Amino acid sequence: QKEVEQNSGPLSVPEGAIASLNCTYSDRGSQSFFWYRQYSGKSPELIMSIYSNGDKEDGRFTAQLNKASQYVSLLIRDSQPSDSATYLCAVNMDTGTASKLTFGTGTRLQVTL
Amino acid sequence: GAVVSQHPSRVICKSGTSVKIECRSLDFQATTMFWYRQFPKKSLMLMATSNEGSKATYEQGVEKDKFLINHASLTLSTLTVTSAHPEDSSFYICSARGQSTNIQYFGAGTRLSVL
Repeated sequence: QKEVEQNSGPLSVPEGAIASLNCTYSDRGSQSFFWYRQYSGKSPELIMSIYSNGDKEDGRFTAQLNKASQYVSLLIRDSQPSDSATYLCAVNMDTGTASKLTFGTGTRLQVTL
Repeated sequence: GAVVSQHPSRVICKSGTSVKIECRSLDFQATTMFWYRQFPKKSLMLMATSNEGSKATYEQGVEKDKFLINHASLTLSTLTVTSAHPEDSSFYICSARGQSTNIQYFGAGTRLSVL
């Protein structure tokens, strides 16, 4: 069974610190990886997509991908209380018109004052 | 990013009634739309995938006769929960994907409460 694993948390970090969120996936053939943020009671919103090994930076967010280790992470620099949310890792495990996302259970991040 | 509109945002209905949820892509053509269900403190579970002009593909365990999906145009998909029961109460979320991308953009979700 194709799976995406995340630590459910909560991960608690002080304001201004770096939050590190991790995700592993089972399908070695996966090509596309996404991080979504979901506030309580709301739908997910896309933060980052990453397709190649290495780092991809966008503002305070950096996604890191290591396909050999089947590992993708999200770093949030200068964490703010407004970053407190559940972060969902999603992996596209199929290709073409049949492709669909498999979501992890999410990591709840709490940024404390 | 692309905009996906989902209506209604909240529905409260009596057991046995049917509820229709609409999902529209406002600024792009969605060749594929997805319907998810999310229970409290759980992750998103894909219910079905719909491609414009063809029948939806349902995930294992999802009753196609209970959850009717129509994707009649490149900007609109609907999910109808037929003869809803309290166990159908959940947060239903749609997403849409354009032809040249594998990024899914989500609607705001519909919270269904069946009394």
